[in-house]
Amino acid sequence: EAQVTQNPRYLITVTGKKLTVTCSQNMNHEYMSWYRQDPGLGLRQIYYSMNVEVTDKGDVPEGYKVSRKEKRNFPLILESPSPNQTSLYFCASRRYEGASTDTQYFGPGTRLTVL
Amino acid sequence: KNQVEQSPQSLIILEGKNCTLQCNYTVSPFSNLRWYKQDTGRGPVSLTIMTFSENTKSNGRYTATLDADTKQSSLHITASQLSDSASYICVVSAETGGFKTIFGAGTRLFVKA
Repeated sequence: EAQVTQNPRYLITVTGKKLTVTCSQNMNHEYMSWYRQDPGLGLRQIYYSMNVEVTDKGDVPEGYKVSRKEKRNFPLILESPSPNQTSLYFCASRRYEGASTDTQYFGPGTRLTVL
Repeated sequence: KNQVEQSPQSLIILEGKNCTLQCNYTVSPFSNLRWYKQDTGRGPVSLTIMTFSENTKSNGRYTATLDADTKQSSLHITASQLSDSASYICVVSAETGGFKTIFGAGTRLFVKA
């Protein structure tokens, strides 16, 4: 089954304690991205990756890091989480190859609370 | 500034009724427009994708329209069901070397029995 998985699904942590949210897709997609979703706002892109070892900032990259060492995985790293990073996070993937109309598949979301 | 505005913010309808959700955008240069359905606590799921040359696209009881001249889109839901209760998100992509994607805040639809 084609899917994007994220772990953990729920996480409560404290300010300053480094954490990693994993994302994995089984569709051999080149393009992967991370979004955050906050009440009353549309999803905002944090980082995206067009292929292995190719990453770039989205609209709200401050306080986040990513890596793309393998095609299937795209972890999101918060080196020193702060309360304003409390949010619902989604990982997504799709083919890249200029196929802008391809379906983008989203993971189930990770609800992060930073105390 | 690239923006996607959706209306209404929320909507309550009775099961079996039709409804129409609106999306206005100022994204340029336009590449495509997508409608997603997002159930509570789940990731968005794609309903329709339209490029500049398409002005209507259907997916079962969902029909999306696009007017690229006025930069407006609508999502029409026919014969609503309780399972249609969800947020519906309009997403517009701009062709800018990469693909800039702007999400609307969504319309929260409640279908009542």
